[in-house]
Amino acid sequence: QKEVEQNSGPLSVPEGAIASLNCTYSDRGSQSFFWYRQYSGKSPELIMFIYSNGDKEDGRFTAQLNKASQYVSLLIRDSQPSDSATYLCAVNIIQGAQKLVFGQGTRLTINP
Amino acid sequence: DAGVIQSPRHEVTEMGQEVTLRCKPISGHDYLFWYRQTMMRGLELLIYFNNNVPIDDSGMPEDRFSAKMPNASFSTLKIQPSEPRDSAVYFCASSFSRTGLIFTGELFFGEGSRLTVL
Repeated sequence: QKEVEQNSGPLSVPEGAIASLNCTYSDRGSQSFFWYRQYSGKSPELIMFIYSNGDKEDGRFTAQLNKASQYVSLLIRDSQPSDSATYLCAVNIIQGAQKLVFGQGTRLTINP
Repeated sequence: DAGVIQSPRHEVTEMGQEVTLRCKPISGHDYLFWYRQTMMRGLELLIYFNNNVPIDDSGMPEDRFSAKMPNASFSTLKIQPSEPRDSAVYFCASSFSRTGLIFTGELFFGEGSRLTVL
């Protein structure tokens, strides 16, 4: 089982709709979770982090965490064409040393 | 404030040649990471340093890869000899520790070095 798993997509969503991105992880001891956005040909950039169960909102973005189910999600409301990118889920895994492990990423396309 | 600076941005070399990638982290950051990204394998952690000391190098593919951090403002990733399967984008990222936390997980990435080995 991979440490962090995402549906690679591509996920296509009409402009103005809600985009839902999902991620599961294998290490029950993980405490911190991150969503990075990567535009084509660019480097990843952090957009959200979440440490506690429940929802965390930041503008049009909402991160959701369920540690019992080992599940993290990212919702993007009122999707814009500029949201088209690959979204990477990352989990801080503690196996001796800590390390940030990334999923494969989900490619999201917002259609005008 | 300058971000993470990587060089070269692009490198094309022939199989068997030595490749050296360079990174300057953000001033004041105490963590430095080297990742490799390919379509097939995604973003893989190769090695990371804390206060210039290598902490986890379990992701380094094999002995052909080595990384150093001689001081807080400079790191290198070396591949010798290079092979076509090493072709990828290599990212350097830096981060910082907050009071009470070992590592925040908030990485600041450089623009990457795209390596092509023929």
